[in-house]
Amino acid sequence: KAGVTQTPRYLIKTRGQQVTLSCSPISGHRSVSWYQQTPGQGLQFLFEYFSETQRNKGNFPGRFSGRQFSNSRSEMNVSTLELGDSALYLCASSSNRGNYGYTFGSGTRLTVV
Amino acid sequence: AQSVTQLGSHVSVSEGALVLLRCNYSSSVPPYLFWYVQYPNQGLQLLLKYTSAATLVKGINGFEAEFKKSETSFHLTKPSAHMSDAAEYFCAVSNDYKLSFGAGTTVTVRA
Repeated sequence: KAGVTQTPRYLIKTRGQQVTLSCSPISGHRSVSWYQQTPGQGLQFLFEYFSETQRNKGNFPGRFSGRQFSNSRSEMNVSTLELGDSALYLCASSSNRGNYGYTFGSGTRLTVV
Repeated sequence: AQSVTQLGSHVSVSEGALVLLRCNYSSSVPPYLFWYVQYPNQGLQLLLKYTSAATLVKGINGFEAEFKKSETSFHLTKPSAHMSDAAEYFCAVSNDYKLSFGAGTTVTVRA
């Protein structure tokens, strides 16, 4: 069974640009969530989607957005990049509520210069 | 809101010694608790989970954790540390379709 696939693995962008990250969940998993990991703030929840509907959203500015497609694949977008957006972005998938565990991808390392 | 607190940002153990990582939770309802491990430049790997079926939970790589409601704790242990256990460990609680993580504990293993 293939795991959670995130692309790309590494990304370098310039301040003011926008970026799109992609996540393919485990086959059969309909819930996809996104997290930002930084040394200063740790692991912070961005948003969660289930069957193309956002069920929860973390405390991030509107520059951070996401969506989920009918095949459960998800993308997140960050517009007008700031230096502080440099982070490891992790995607996780689960079968439903996530109370029995989430499976994480390897992450996308975003560097904003 | 449910949350977890990890005590100790860094733990250093000798190879073969006991590994003990502490996690306390705050929840008004029975929580769903997890321990994850992260190796450098990688994602998070699930070590074990508590879902109220049993208070002593066994996970992968010889780790186990005990849920103690009276102490609101979910500490992670491994009887004998290996060099390969050097990593960062996160305790987490699940609710409202998300995980809330502790700050993490970095484990170093001395030869």
